[in-house]
Amino acid sequence: NAGVMQNPRHLVRRRGQEARLRCSPMKGHSHVYWYRQLPEEGLKFMVYLQKENIIDESGMPKERFSAEFPKEGPSILRIQQVVRGDSAAYFCASSHSTGHETQYFGPGTRLLVL
Amino acid sequence: SQELEQSPQSLIVQEGKNLTINCTSSKTLYGLYWYKQKYGEGLIFLMMLQKGGEEKSHEKITAKLDEKKQQSSLHITASQPSHAGIYLCGASQGAQKLVFGQGTRLTINP
Repeated sequence: NAGVMQNPRHLVRRRGQEARLRCSPMKGHSHVYWYRQLPEEGLKFMVYLQKENIIDESGMPKERFSAEFPKEGPSILRIQQVVRGDSAAYFCASSHSTGHETQYFGPGTRLLVL
Repeated sequence: SQELEQSPQSLIVQEGKNLTINCTSSKTLYGLYWYKQKYGEGLIFLMMLQKGGEEKSHEKITAKLDEKKQQSSLHITASQPSHAGIYLCGASQGAQKLVFGQGTRLTINP
């Protein structure tokens, strides 16, 4: 049973470009969570999605960031017009359901903005 | 909002020694998770505790949740180089998202 998959593992972008981060949840999991780990900081929640629905985006920056989890295909975290402060490790997690279900994490995407 | 504080922030121990990492919450814990992160990699799930006084073990790692459900400890017995990494405690917030402590960096000296 494959775990949570994320790609790319490393992404380099210049300021002003767009970054697209992909996450395929574990088989049978329909709940996806995105977290961000800034350099020398802890892991912070960004957004929680179920298939085709955003349930909680309280941790998402108001501008330039968006997330989706379509009926078919992986979840996408999209960052438009990246700035240097967006450089971080972005982790995706998935769970079978909600309500204190264990979240299993992917290997992360390390974004570097030049 | 709930905050988790881990202590110590970093720990260096000799191989074979025992060690304990603590996680203290500002609010009652309804689901406490322990993860391990190796540099450049994702988080590996270790254990989850829900009930006051609960204790779980996996190989040489034991985690406990105190009766008042505001503190958890992670204990490693006879540490090995493979135990090195960053240990993170996370708490369920609203049954949907996790809030994490800042992590404890563990180094094992041979």
